[in-house]
Amino acid sequence: DGGITQSPKYLFRKEGQNVTLSCEQNLNHDAMYWYRQDPGQGLRLIYYSQIVNDFQKGDIAEGYSVSREKKESFPLTVTSAQKNPTAFYLCASSISRTGELFFGEGSRLTVL
Amino acid sequence: SQQGEEDPQALSIQEGENATMNCSYKTSINNLQWYRQNSGRGLVHLILIRSNEREKHSGRLRVTLDTSKKSSSLLITASRAADTASYFCATDVYNFNKFYFGSGTKLNVKP
Repeated sequence: DGGITQSPKYLFRKEGQNVTLSCEQNLNHDAMYWYRQDPGQGLRLIYYSQIVNDFQKGDIAEGYSVSREKKESFPLTVTSAQKNPTAFYLCASSISRTGELFFGEGSRLTVL
Repeated sequence: SQQGEEDPQALSIQEGENATMNCSYKTSINNLQWYRQNSGRGLVHLILIRSNEREKHSGRLRVTLDTSKKSSSLLITASRAADTASYFCATDVYNFNKFYFGSGTKLNVKP
């Protein structure tokens, strides 16, 4: 089945550690996105990529990093520089810049 | 902020009633989309309406767009308990390569 797979679903991190969230899609979409969602709030854009080997900062990129070495993969690293990383992270892809977004099931990160 | 903002923040209705949610935004858009999110899950695309369209239907969903007022509404007719979820509007802002999401309307449909 075509779709977006995020892993892990739940992740616990100690303060000062970097963690990487995986996002893989087999939809052959060019564009991929990472969003952060805090309780009771909307989605805020962290990073996005329109094409392989290229990505742009979103509205809250500080403390995060990404790579786009393959079309199907867009991993997000939450670094120790992110002051408040506990959140629900959502990866999405779209076939074009203006098309509908397809979302993964999310990864919930908790900092202990 | 260029985000869409939904209104109301929460809505509680009985099964069979209609539910209306509104979204307002600030800048020119290419299109506006509505998404649904069940608790703790990813978002699911419901409907996309382009800036040159005024109304669109999909099953029990009806979306309107008024670009002069920079607003959109989502109507769910004959609601069911399974419609209980949060609903978000997302705007594809003209000249930007990204979507902006509002904070959502939490809909509770009581059986």
